[in-house]
Amino acid sequence: AQKITQTQPGMFVQEKEAVTLDCTYDTSDPSYGLFWYKQPSSGEMIFLIYQGSYDQQNATEGRYSLNFQKARKSANLVISASQLGDSAMYFCAMREGDNYGQNFVFGPGTRLSVLP
Amino acid sequence: KAGVTQTPRYLIKTRGQQVTLSCSPISGHRSVSWYQQTPGQGLQFLFEYFSETQRNKGNFPGRFSGRQFSNSRSEMNVSTLELGDSALYLCASSEGAQGVFHEQYFGPGTRLTVT
Repeated sequence: AQKITQTQPGMFVQEKEAVTLDCTYDTSDPSYGLFWYKQPSSGEMIFLIYQGSYDQQNATEGRYSLNFQKARKSANLVISASQLGDSAMYFCAMREGDNYGQNFVFGPGTRLSVLP
Repeated sequence: KAGVTQTPRYLIKTRGQQVTLSCSPISGHRSVSWYQQTPGQGLQFLFEYFSETQRNKGNFPGRFSGRQFSNSRSEMNVSTLELGDSALYLCASSEGAQGVFHEQYFGPGTRLTVT
């Protein structure tokens, strides 16, 4: 079964507007971490933001915020004031458990295009 | 701090050959993970090394192997290359301490083309 689902293969947003990228996950482990990464056309993966399953507040990092709804098992990424440089693939990822033996699982990604 | 480095950046090999890719993690990071990225399968986890020991492995055939050295540098090897091995191979490092979630920092990748 898919552990990470990203239902939007592609998204368009106008420059300076906000955009939400969806991510739902599946786990029965009470302890897990959720991550968002950005991959520009150059190929390098860039870490954006992290949310722990026990965190009480939604994570924020500059223009990025994570809308964490634990009961719905969703961890949507919100990018405020989009910039042309935000055009890239965005991946949601999860690491389960608090043991070292759990690897990262990535979703299929969403391609975001920011329009001038 | 220097980021994760991978060498070579680009590689062209012929079916049946073998290849070795190298990854140098961020200084102080003890965990190194390898991923294969293809348009069809997306990002797939290959294996993770921590303090020279493989502590996690994805669902790949035995042709894919890796190792980690005492300085945390890691190599992955693919033997008897197949056309389907053409992909971007990404290495990621993290602090890797048990019981704590750490983000992974990725290198620029090695693009392998098998002809």
